[in-house]
Amino acid sequence: ETGVTQSPTHLIKTRGQQVTLRCSSQSGHNTVSWYQQALGQGPQFIFQYYREEENGRGNFPPRFSGLQFPNYSSELNVNALELDDSALYLCASSPTGQGAYEQYFGPGTRLTVT
Amino acid sequence: AQKVTQAQTEISVVEKEDVTLDCVYETRDTTYYLFWYKQPPSGELVFLIRRNSFDEQNEISGRYSWNFQKSTSSFNFTITASQVVDSAVYFCALSEASGQNFVFGPGTRLSVLP
Repeated sequence: ETGVTQSPTHLIKTRGQQVTLRCSSQSGHNTVSWYQQALGQGPQFIFQYYREEENGRGNFPPRFSGLQFPNYSSELNVNALELDDSALYLCASSPTGQGAYEQYFGPGTRLTVT
Repeated sequence: AQKVTQAQTEISVVEKEDVTLDCVYETRDTTYYLFWYKQPPSGELVFLIRRNSFDEQNEISGRYSWNFQKSTSSFNFTITASQVVDSAVYFCALSEASGQNFVFGPGTRLSVLP
């Protein structure tokens, strides 16, 4: 069974640029969630996708957007990057969007905005 | 709004000591789920336990045990006979029944010294 994978591992961008982060769900999981974890803090929920549709969203501006593909992999896009967007971005998959099942996390993408 | 508080920012213990990590939550939902995750230095969040709001039985898994008390809105985590490999940041999390919104606490950094 393949776990959750994320790419790239690290990324450095300049303020104002756009970035796309990628996530492959664990086999058999159709729900994916994205989190932002600033240094020394707990993960903050960005949004969740279930069957290719957004299924819930946290308190993040519209410049944070996502996609889920038919194979349940997912992308997180961030436009007009700001310095405060520097963080570890975590992707998590779970077996279904219908219920609060445990989430399995990927290793994260460390984004640095300069 | 849902909220998770982990009052202990950092804890240091000597190997073989018992340690309890506190978690207090707030929610208006009658049905909800509580979780504990471990984040070792490698950064990947590891699922430890899920508990629903209707199940107040304490649970033991090896050296780990969890004490859920709905009356005090607490879900504490005890490690018995701690080991150096237990050193990590531990997060308590709360989810509404639909699973659409996970709220993580700020985490407790546990250092187990040899």
